[in-house]
Amino acid sequence: SQQGEEDPQALSIQEGENATMNCSYKTSINNLQWYRQNSGRGLVHLILIRSNEREKHSGRLRVTLDTSKKSSSLLITASRAADTASYFCATVGSGSRLTFGEGTQLTVNP
Amino acid sequence: ETGVTQSPTHLIKTRGQQVTLRCSSQSGHNTVSWYQQALGQGPQFIFQYYREEENGRGNFPPRFSGLQFPNYSSELNVNALELDDSALYLCASSLQGIRDNEQFFGPGTRLTVL
Repeated sequence: SQQGEEDPQALSIQEGENATMNCSYKTSINNLQWYRQNSGRGLVHLILIRSNEREKHSGRLRVTLDTSKKSSSLLITASRAADTASYFCATVGSGSRLTFGEGTQLTVNP
Repeated sequence: ETGVTQSPTHLIKTRGQQVTLRCSSQSGHNTVSWYQQALGQGPQFIFQYYREEENGRGNFPPRFSGLQFPNYSSELNVNALELDDSALYLCASSLQGIRDNEQFFGPGTRLTVL
């Protein structure tokens, strides 16, 4: 079963706008990771945030983590058409297996 | 590119048949994990192999089995295929023991069961 839930399930925005996706999870974690997937292909690792971190940046990406609420958000600023993809959060607990959410389908319109 | 390769890219089988999927891990990695991704859903963990032994398993029946070879490449075998086994199968390689244990994914094998 999936641990995480992401919302929205689908998001459609215009180029240049910001996109925010949210992820909730159920159990304690060591870290939380965000991945991108283009058209049912392989997963591309975007960013990792550890359980003792609250915010992390990487280029146009900003991730926040609130362990008290068991939630995370991914912000993509100044979006581009090439950002169109599915985005997944995945948690890592005591083992090294990744537990994925259902994903958010982002469409960036030119 | 992650350096993780999978073969074949696509595969069509019929119910009851058996299938073997292959994964070559990134150079220097000693751990391979397999995931099943049904259409429109997130990937689900099948199992993980570390130093040629199963090192954790998800909620999948025994007809899903695997192997890891001395060069750390891996196979996923599925017996008695069912229609619901149709999915994208992803493998990910990693290096056990380092902090965060980041996993690098291959492009996947698309399995269709008719």
